[in-house]
Parts: sequence; C-alpha cells; structure tokens
Amino acid sequence: DAMVIQNPRYQVTQFGKPVTLSCSQTLNHNVMYWYQQKSSQAPKLLFHYYDKDFNNEADTPDNFQSRRPNTSFCFLDIRSPGLGDAAMYLCATKGASGSYNEQFFGPGTRLTVL
Amino acid sequence: GENVEQHPSTLSVQEGDSAVIKCTYSDSASNYFPWYKQELGKRPQLIIDIRSNVGEKKDQRIAVTLNKTAKHFSLHITETQPEDSAVYFCAENSYGKLTFGQGTILTVHP
Repeated sequence: DAMVIQNPRYQVTQFGKPVTLSCSQTLNHNVMYWYQQKSSQAPKLLFHYYDKDFNNEADTPDNFQSRRPNTSFCFLDIRSPGLGDAAMYLCATKGASGSYNEQFFGPGTRLTVL
Repeated sequence: GENVEQHPSTLSVQEGDSAVIKCTYSDSASNYFPWYKQELGKRPQLIIDIRSNVGEKKDQRIAVTLNKTAKHFSLHITETQPEDSAVYFCAENSYGKLTFGQGTILTVHP
C-alpha cells in the first residue's frame, strides 16, 4: 500500500548527541513536510520541501536541519538535541501543486532526550 | 502571520449527543480547511475538509460549515459514539502550508 513511513518510531538520545529521523513515501508526492508536536499541543511546521526546494519556517531553530536526497526520502537532523526538543516528529506529504490536496501523515517518531 | 483559534479546548458529551467545535482564522488567502482527528500516540487523520468555494460539506455523521466573510468554520459531529473520543484539530491552508488550531479534546461518555 502506498504510504508514508517513519523510522524509527521511538528514538532515545542524550542531551547534545546528534540524531537523525527519517521519512520515506511511496506516494510519489512532490511536497514533504516536517512537523514537531509537543505533548498536548498542535503540530507545528518546521520546514517543507517542494521537490528539492527547501522552505524553512522563520521560527525553526538552527539546531534543526533537513535533507531530501530524492523524491522518496526526507531526513530531519537535530544537531544538538536539548530537553526541549523532546516531542513527536511527524512527516507529511502532499501531491501536486494544488493547495486543496490532503496532507498524508506518517506515524511519527517519538523523540526522548535524556 | 497566520493564526487559527479553536474552541473549546475540551468538550465532554453524552453518547448520542452532538458536538460542535469552532475555529476562526485570520489569513484571507486561506482556501482549504481540513479537520484532523488524532488518537493518543497516533498520527493525525483527516476526517473531513472543505474548500473556500463551498459553504457546507457533510459525510455521514460529520459536517463542516465555512463562513468566509466572518472567517470561521465549524465541525459538527452528530450521534456521537465513544470511539469519537480523541483530539480534534482544525487547520487552514494558505500557500501550501497548514496552520493548526490548538486542538479540542472530545470525550464521549457511554
């Protein structure tokens, strides 16, 4: 089945130790998004790719970086995780260029920072 | 920037009653308004959406209304069931990006 896959589902890292979260999709969608969702809060957009064009949200910390080596894969790198970065990280995709299209969410990666 | 206000933050109803959640937005360029249901520890799932050129849309027990002039839209769930219990997020789309409301925790008591 076409889907959005995130690995790992659970990630534990130590304070300051770099971590990479991955997202892959079989939908062949050209837009991919990374959201951060903290407990009891709404998802917050960190950045998105339209094809290879990277779009950073103004308030996304420099500690967060992203890579999209091809259409199917997108990575979220957290260079020096702090305790405040513990959250669920959601990847989503959207097809075509129309604004009306649904965003499809992956299952998320829950990040714990010790 | 874009801003979406969602009310109420918590909603408790008896099974069979109706539930209504309301959102307001500020960006006139918003043209697409999805509603997501999120169960604990799971991904947000789209339950219904509406485009800016439509005033109302219904799908079985779920309906959404949109008032573009007033910049507000609402989710209506009729004949609620315990499995409707979850967090519901409204969102607005402008320029391909979603901005979410703060969420409503809906509890349906048997």
